[in-house]
Amino acid sequence: GAGVSQSPSNKVTEKGKDVELRCDPISGHTALYWYRQRLGQGLEFLIYFQGNSAPDKSGLPSDRFSAERTGESVSTLTIQRTQQEDSAVYLCASSFRGFYEQFFGPGTRLTVL
Amino acid sequence: QKEVEQDPGPLSVPEGAIVSLNCTYSNSAFQYFMWYRQYSRKGPELLMYTYSSGNKEDGRFTAQVDKSSKYISLFIRDSQPSDSATYLCAPGGNTGKLIFGQGTTLQVKP
Repeated sequence: GAGVSQSPSNKVTEKGKDVELRCDPISGHTALYWYRQRLGQGLEFLIYFQGNSAPDKSGLPSDRFSAERTGESVSTLTIQRTQQEDSAVYLCASSFRGFYEQFFGPGTRLTVL
Repeated sequence: QKEVEQDPGPLSVPEGAIVSLNCTYSNSAFQYFMWYRQYSRKGPELLMYTYSSGNKEDGRFTAQVDKSSKYISLFIRDSQPSDSATYLCAPGGNTGKLIFGQGTTLQVKP
């Protein structure tokens, strides 16, 4: 079946603009995660959705970052007033009931000029 | 101190070598220990995982966990050029979240 998909694959924006990144998880996966990966670095946890529970937002770096999820499907990560330090690959992953096997999408490469 | 420490490398070995990749962690509540492999410009993919202490073998790969010393290892036997990638350790507890190490970049030369 289809894996996790993310769009766009690449996004170039100007400093101060808002961006929206989209994630389509694997059908039936109740858990969804967003991570940030800066060049040459590991994965930095951003936010975790599990079913109808309140999301774990403990990794969001500032109030410029927010994320929404519609039921157990699509999620969008929004970054307002982008800064150059926001440049990174944003990865989305989903898993079945929060089980630890997370399936990752290909990521969105964000460049803020 | 980071919750998970991993030497970023890079690590370069000849084809056929035995590779040892390691992580240390600080949170004693971690029970699940995952290893992900990430090829350049791709998302990570799960390689293998163990629960609690002990060893797990899958083909050329062996994962080892020593909870008493908070040390995680991944061994690759008969390494191949196709094993060239970044390897990320990722322990987790009962929260549904994984904490990823920085990743070790491995290059296997033919």
